[in-house]
Amino acid sequence: GEDVEQSLFLSVREGDSSVINCTYTDSSSTYLYWYKQEPGAGLQLLTYIFSNMDMKQDQRLTVLLNKKDKHLSLRIADTQTGDSAIYFCAVISGGYQKVTFGIGTKLQVIP
Amino acid sequence: DAGVIQSPRHEVTEMGQEVTLRCKPISGHNSLFWYRQTMMRGLELLIYFNNNVPIDDSGMPEDRFSAKMPNASFSTLKIQPSEPRDSAVYFCASTQNTEAFFGQGTRLTVV
Repeated sequence: GEDVEQSLFLSVREGDSSVINCTYTDSSSTYLYWYKQEPGAGLQLLTYIFSNMDMKQDQRLTVLLNKKDKHLSLRIADTQTGDSAIYFCAVISGGYQKVTFGIGTKLQVIP
Repeated sequence: DAGVIQSPRHEVTEMGQEVTLRCKPISGHNSLFWYRQTMMRGLELLIYFNNNVPIDDSGMPEDRFSAKMPNASFSTLKIQPSEPRDSAVYFCASTQNTEAFFGQGTRLTVV
């Protein structure tokens, strides 16, 4: 089955850029997502990219997809303290549209 | 639409008791997922349904866990008997081919 891997923790200073990385195994994945979870809350969709795209930019967020290496990254420019949260990489694949999540990367923003 | 609705938001129960978690997916979504989130293991997929049919229940920890989806608008996750190690936040999510929408979760504490 699909396997999605992320690093557990990232610490950056306020104003710096953050880059969160993710690798996946199923090359047939159609949609790839980044979700954000703030403390005590559910997961909210942050951004997504179709598998036929290499890059997507949305304000401070940039998603890069390297299909050859099965690598997805999320760059947050000018990171703010409000960006502190857990970020989950997720992919949809298979005929039944199974959604597989990574373990989540905890982003800590130091003022 | 009110989004994915889970109930209860919080549940505290004694070891050995039966616990039933409920989920109402977004109308028109054909896939429903149950996840469990703990500090130790992150977000784990327990089971998912497509068109009310269980597709993959390999993530269900053991026979004490069972899930049903009697119709397109309702699903339950039951734990019987409950144990302290079942304490976690349980999320339900639904999707219609693209974005997975999450409920706010049920925080279960088994004492």
